[in-house]
Amino acid sequence: GEDVEQSLFLSVREGDSSVINCTYTDSSSTYLYWYKQEPGAGLQLLTYIFSNMDMKQDQRLTVLLNKKDKHLSLRIADTQTGDSAIYFCAERGGSYIPTFGRGTSLIVHP
Amino acid sequence: SQTIHQWPATLVQPVGSPLSLECTVEGTSNPNLYWYRQAAGRGLQLLFYSVGIGQISSEVPQNLSASRPQDRQFILSSKKLLLSDSGFYLCAWSKQVDEQYFGPGTRLTVT
Repeated sequence: GEDVEQSLFLSVREGDSSVINCTYTDSSSTYLYWYKQEPGAGLQLLTYIFSNMDMKQDQRLTVLLNKKDKHLSLRIADTQTGDSAIYFCAERGGSYIPTFGRGTSLIVHP
Repeated sequence: SQTIHQWPATLVQPVGSPLSLECTVEGTSNPNLYWYRQAAGRGLQLLFYSVGIGQISSEVPQNLSASRPQDRQFILSSKKLLLSDSGFYLCAWSKQVDEQYFGPGTRLTVT
């Protein structure tokens, strides 16, 4: 079946850029998503990208997609303490059901 | 705008007791609805999804069940809880194959 892999932890200094990486196996992926989960809360959709795009930028967030390598990344510029959370990568092909990664805990320290 | 509600927010139940978690969506019609469980390992496990009233698909066989009595209402139930049912339960909705939107979650502790 489809699989989505993420590293479990990332630690960065406040003000630096964070890059969270994700790899997936489903070659028919059409939509790729990034979600943010703060402690004790639900998942919040941050951004998404269609598979026919290479890059999408939204304020401090930049999503890069390398479809050949099935690699997705989320870059957060000028990382702040409020960005500390778990970030989930997800992909969906033509079905209703997305496949989620296990999430990357982003820790921002002063 | 659309909103999704879950209740209760927190629940502590003894082993063997019944369970009922409720999820409702406002501001849209005929949404796809989903129940996920997030255990301590943080990954999301899809439990059930529904594409319409009375249409429930189960992804993982277990002692949980789901029902959709109304278009925008999704209920997760159990007749007898197990310790392993503890976790963070998330409801989500989507329009067909669009992105999912999650509720605030219910923290269930089975003692």
